[in-house]
Amino acid sequence: DAGVTQSPTHLIKTRGQHVTLRCSPISGHKSVSWYQQVLGQGPQFIFQYYEKEERGRGNFPDRFSARQFPNYSSELNVNALLLGDSALYLCASSWDNNSPLHFGNGTRLTVT
Amino acid sequence: AQRVTQPEKLLSVFKGAPVELKCNYSYSGSPELFWYVQYSRQRLQLLLRHISRESIKGFTADLNKGETSFHLKKPFAQEEDSAMYYCALSGLYSGGGADGLTFGKGTHLIIQP
Repeated sequence: DAGVTQSPTHLIKTRGQHVTLRCSPISGHKSVSWYQQVLGQGPQFIFQYYEKEERGRGNFPDRFSARQFPNYSSELNVNALLLGDSALYLCASSWDNNSPLHFGNGTRLTVT
Repeated sequence: AQRVTQPEKLLSVFKGAPVELKCNYSYSGSPELFWYVQYSRQRLQLLLRHISRESIKGFTADLNKGETSFHLKKPFAQEEDSAMYYCALSGLYSGGGADGLTFGKGTHLIIQP
């Protein structure tokens, strides 16, 4: 079964750079959410998009932005990278705004 | 502010023994509680959702609003239960949508043979 797919799987960036992470939801799912998971912690909510509109935002700075495309895929953008942005970034999709989340394998971002 | 606390970072039990993974929460409204599991080299996946009142892989969890707890239990542990378990919280019936899920730090469950 084609689950949530994320690309790239690993990424190394330098402080101050910009990064774009990509996510393709399960076919038929219209909602995409992004989470950040720092080592030793649980995932932390960044954004939720449903029907191409931002429906929810967690406690993250404006350096973090996202969008959802007409095919329901999504991008997470992070500007002016800091060392503390090093984490596993998880994408999750669901049928609608209220259905359980299905997670991808994540993108491991390392900022040096 | 909403919060999920999983007091045990690591829990080790023998095969066949009962398992209880603790989860306590704080939330001002009506909560919806979940257990997610991550097996080695696999993605995070939903194990239980309290409103479904299901038993999955022998695991059950009951929401106790008085004690603000949602402990995960299994009467007889199996080696394949070894995994990382996360308790998570959202608003009732939201599934973790617009408000997102609030996760605990997770408990690493090890089942010894």
